[in-house]
Amino acid sequence: GQNIDQPTEMTATEGAIVQINCTYQTSGFNGLFWYQQHAGEAPTFLSYNVLDGLEEKGRFSSFLSRSKGYSYLLLKELQMKDSASYLCAVRNTGNTPLVFGKGTRLSVIA
Amino acid sequence: GAGVSQSPRYKVAKRGQDVALRCDPISGHVSLFWYQQALGQGPEFLTYFQNEAQLDKSGLPSDRFFAERPEGSVSTLKIQRTQQEDSAVYLCASSQPPQGAAGYTFGSGTRLTVV
Repeated sequence: GQNIDQPTEMTATEGAIVQINCTYQTSGFNGLFWYQQHAGEAPTFLSYNVLDGLEEKGRFSSFLSRSKGYSYLLLKELQMKDSASYLCAVRNTGNTPLVFGKGTRLSVIA
Repeated sequence: GAGVSQSPRYKVAKRGQDVALRCDPISGHVSLFWYQQALGQGPEFLTYFQNEAQLDKSGLPSDRFFAERPEGSVSTLKIQRTQQEDSAVYLCASSQPPQGAAGYTFGSGTRLTVV
């Protein structure tokens, strides 16, 4: 089975930093993805982690700890356009389809 | 094509009506996935194709749901005798194995409303 947990909603201020956590339980881990989804639009790929540690990509970073079943997405210098849902997704061994969490709706306020 | 294309963008169906949703994946992408996304929720897996072979249909909620990809390119998700609980956004995604770090490219989805 698969269990992926992330907070339902978060609010942060423009220019600030926000961390969105994701915990997962899986029988065979083969990568964790973060996607951004604006209302009414397709999810778009943000980051991928398969080894422990931090992956940095501009204002966005993603961290993974496989032993703890834990990841976070860090967004720096928040902009209003970052208001969206952020989806954590896990891939199991064998290239099976991604399993998504319920998503975290982030609201960036002035 | 340049991206994953889905049609129609919106569909309103009367309860009991059959619907067909189309997905045009990125040219050359071997893998194609269908997901169902209810309002305020994450995408839920429905079914998965590799070329024309349907490798996993464990997520299809009932035998009213049927998907095909006869030539290994365009795919159609068909829902028979639609019910109100079928109202959701249906997302299609494609990828090119080995999937590695690229993940999936999603289409914009079809929003189905059953009235």
